Order: sequence, then C-alpha cells, then structure tokens
Amino acid sequence: DIQMTQSPASLSASLEEIVTITCQASQDIGNWLAWYQQKPGKSPQLLIYDATSLADGVPSRFSGSRSGTQYSLKISRLQVEDIGSYYCQQAHSNPPTFGGGTKLELK
Amino acid sequence: QVQLQQSGAELTKPGSSVKISCKASGYTFTSYDISWIKQRPGQALEWIGAINPGSGGTGYNEKFKGKATLTVDKSSSTAFMQLSSLTPEDTAVYYCASPGYWFAYWGQGTLVTVSS
Repeated sequence: DIQMTQSPASLSASLEEIVTITCQASQDIGNWLAWYQQKPGKSPQLLIYDATSLADGVPSRFSGSRSGTQYSLKISRLQVEDIGSYYCQQAHSNPPTFGGGTKLELK
Repeated sequence: QVQLQQSGAELTKPGSSVKISCKASGYTFTSYDISWIKQRPGQALEWIGAINPGSGGTGYNEKFKGKATLTVDKSSSTAFMQLSSLTPEDTAVYYCASPGYWFAYWGQGTLVTVSS
C-alpha cells in the first residue's frame, strides 16, 4: 500500500495567519491527491482534488501544490471556520490511503 | 442535491455481526461507486472497500477481506455493509462516500460500538 506521511500532526495558528500542511507519498502518485477538512463530529469535506483543483464551494484561500512526491495544502489567511482536522488522500493505487491527519487549532 | 443518508448507531456484542445502510438520493444510483470508510476515535481514515451499484462488483482493502461484505439494493438506491465477527477494534464511525477517486459526498456516519 502507498503510505501517506502527513505533517505536522497538530498545529496552532492565529487568525489571518498563513498555514501550510504537507503530505509525503511513499512513491510517485502523480496528481492523484486530495485534501479533506473534518470538523468535530462531522463528515470530512473535499477541499482539493487532482492535487491543485479547488472543489466546488471551497473558499479561494485554500490552495494545493505539488513538488515531486510532496504535496502541500495552504490556507492563505486563517479564519475561525477553518479550525478542524485535515487529511490528505491518494487515489493513484488501490487501496486509497489517507494521511494521519493534522489537527488545526487557534492560538 | 446528492445525499447519502446512513442508518443509526449500533451497539453490538463481540462475536456478532452488524449491517449498516447508506441510502442515496439526488443522482442516478448506478452511476457512481460507493465506498465505505472507517474512522476510529481520534484516528485517521481507512478505506474498507467499494461497490459498483450497477454491476454489484466489489473491491476490498486486503485488511478488511473477511470482515466486511458490501451489497446494494438497486430498487431502494441503498448500499449496505455487513461487518462480521466483531471485536472491540471494530468500534468506529463508518462512512459511506462517493463517487470514485475523490469523495465529494459523504454520509453522516454510523457509530458502531462493540462492547460486552
């Protein structure tokens, strides 16, 4: 199975701050990567797919990028509604696998 | 709009089985695979497997073969997952999700608690 190593595991940031979360794939997955946001007690929500494409209805302050097998999710100006957990997911090979998650909190 | 409505929470005993459901609406049921995903408390997400509602064809994560069985009822646009030989390690929230590579739509989750 492809391993997705996500960092950091937790992150504390201030409002309006730039936040970056990264995911390292254990092998080449091309652009077959998605990012999800999960708020406590809720289902995950798709933010980014194809590594860089914004899902419908997602604010433009979210963006995704790729450098080789390292992928990043950037929140350009952190808002209170962005607090929650974030997961990456590869869809290159079965089974789809997820990163371990990043818990984002307000400082 | 696309909706996936899951059945309610289950409290079960070790060694038993449970069957949870996911009713789809807002799209043609046979158009997209439905996946099932496990999330243990405070832990990450694990893909269990997926079913093609049109053909009934299934694909499973090796880790969940023998544990999960996926089926559908096309007449009611409902997908099912049966979990067998339950242990406390099966205590988790289980989600159905669609469509295929990217999970744009999720059910609200079903909490399965395995306890004696």
